This record gives sequence, structure tokens and C-alpha cells, in this order.
Amino acid sequence: QKEVEQNSGPLSVPEGAIASLNCTYSDRGSQSFFWYRQYSGKSPELIMFIYSNGDKEDGRFTAQLNKASQYVSLLIRDSQPSDSATYLCAVKSGSSGGSNYKLTFGKGTLLTVNP
Amino acid sequence: KAGVTQTPRYLIKTRGQQVTLSCSPISGHRSVSWYQQTPGQGLQFLFEYFSETQRNKGNFPGRFSGRQFSNSRSEMNVSTLELGDSALYLCASSLPWTGGNQETQYFGPGTRLLVL
Repeated sequence: QKEVEQNSGPLSVPEGAIASLNCTYSDRGSQSFFWYRQYSGKSPELIMFIYSNGDKEDGRFTAQLNKASQYVSLLIRDSQPSDSATYLCAVKSGSSGGSNYKLTFGKGTLLTVNP
Repeated sequence: KAGVTQTPRYLIKTRGQQVTLSCSPISGHRSVSWYQQTPGQGLQFLFEYFSETQRNKGNFPGRFSGRQFSNSRSEMNVSTLELGDSALYLCASSLPWTGGNQETQYFGPGTRLLVL
């Protein structure tokens, strides 16, 4: 069973702090990794994705990938109350040369940013 | 460009009934994936369609089925509804959905189904 694990939280940080969200995955053949944000009662919204080892920055968000450790993280700098949401880690995997790719999601980490 | 649309947004059914949900992908997107989201199980993959063909299927019973039309719109059907089918059903579209590292999926607003 290919799994994606996240701390369920809640993770509480003060406004302006750095929020660090972590995710581990079991399938070493996974190809790309996604972070989605989901506000209560809404659908997931893509924040960013990463597929190469190292860091990828987009505004206040930085995704970090370490394939050897099967670990992906999301850092949110200068956290704002509007960042309060559930953050979902998703992993894309499928058979090489095939077409049966899918996203496997973690259960999400609830982030609360306190003013 | 318009996003993924899903209809209806809310639905109440009773046990034993069947339901059909609809999804229109982003214009030009040809792959549609369906997911079920519940508080206990999180987001779980149902199936994926491309060019009117189901290419991948998750671990759901045969009561869950789907199809895709030539314009890439997709429907999913749940027959003989059970209380446990109450969930948020999400569809996501992608331009291609193959082995490319930069392919992404974009979600629609979802259909919230309540089974009584």
C-alpha cells in the first residue's frame, strides 16, 4: 500500500512566523510531489509542486524535497491568518511507461496562524 | 480560462438510491480524475479518464462507476447508495496526465453528497 503520511496537527504559529509542514511517502518510485491548501468547506487549491531534490521557492512558500529520505516539506514564511487552512501533501506515482498515474494524498495538516 | 466545474454542488439522497455527478474540466484538459473526501479517510482516488477511457481505478466497489464524453466532460455514478457514501466528491482535471513531472491537477468545487 503506497502511503503518504502527514502530522495531522493542529499546528499553531503566531502571525509573521515560519510554518513548517512535513510529509513522508513510501513509494520510492514517486515522481512528483504537490502541496494543496484546503480551506474549510472548500476544495483543494494547488500551491506548488516539486519533482527535483532540493528547494523550490514561490513567494512566501518554499517546498523542499529529499528523495533519499522520502521526505517533502512546505515552509510558509511570514505566516498570515489567511494561511489558516488544511495543507494536503500529494504524491504522483504510476508504472513507468504506463498510463495509470494517480495522486495519493496525505490526510492533511491543519495550520492555524494566530494574529 | 474557466476552472473545473461540478454539478450539482449539493445533493441529498436516501439509502438505496443512485446518483450521477457531473464534471466539466478546464478547457483543453483531457484527463479527469475523481476523488472522494471524508473526514475519516481523507482524499481517496476513485478513477481517472482520458479520451473516454478509464485508465486507472482506485479501491472502491463496483457501485462506483464513471464515464467520459468526447468533449472531456465526465460523470460518475454511485448506485445503491449507502450511508457511508456521504462525502465530498471532487473531480480534478489535467492537460495530459502521463509521466511528466510538471503535470498538475486542478480541482473543481466538489459535490457534497449526503445520504440519509
